[in-house]
Amino acid sequence: AQSVAQPEDQVNVAEGNPLTVKCTYSVSGNPYLFWYVQYPNRGLQFLLKYITGDNLVKGSYGFEAEFNKSQTSFHLKKPSALVSDSALYFCAVRDLNTGGFKTIFGAGTRLFVKA
Amino acid sequence: EAGVTQFPSHSVIEKGQTVTLRCDPISGHDNLYWYRRVMGKEIKFLLHFVKESKQDESGMPNNRFLAERTGGTYSTLKVQPAELEDSGVYFCASSPGTEISPLHFGNGTRLTVT
Repeated sequence: AQSVAQPEDQVNVAEGNPLTVKCTYSVSGNPYLFWYVQYPNRGLQFLLKYITGDNLVKGSYGFEAEFNKSQTSFHLKKPSALVSDSALYFCAVRDLNTGGFKTIFGAGTRLFVKA
Repeated sequence: EAGVTQFPSHSVIEKGQTVTLRCDPISGHDNLYWYRRVMGKEIKFLLHFVKESKQDESGMPNNRFLAERTGGTYSTLKVQPAELEDSGVYFCASSPGTEISPLHFGNGTRLTVT
């Protein structure tokens, strides 16, 4: 079965420093991977996705993610964190084996950026 | 373009009562999904509509949950009778009809069953 793991409940980083939010996945077949962000009292917003091609994908708000097939990882990164990046981040994989487009989410990682 | 809207934003009900959640997807999006997040846990899939048809309802917890999507437009999710463990945030999402399209989420309905 498809699954996603986010090993860190929370990540703390100082403003201006690089940040990494970790994600590993388990899929059968080619992975379609996504990152979403949730701000307080809001729905999830799409940040970026990996479908095929270049292992480094760029997304919204300066975020990027690196796909690593051998490590089955899709870590979210940003070179310089902002206080406004503080939010809840979800990694997700699309399950194409059920005949539909079900997306499976991890438990989320709370990012706290300190000024 | 108007986003996905959910109503109500919050609902507090007593155990045994009935609650109906509503979701209006983005116009033209054939795919509509319901998800639920219980405090601190992963966002769990409930079901998936393609237009008015249920494509996958494997995540529905039990027969106290009933989802409909009349005419392939808005959707409702009814919980009857509600139990304490039904508390959580219920998200609706929609997407166009391709496997690489990201989901567009509503702000969610926070359901508290007391």
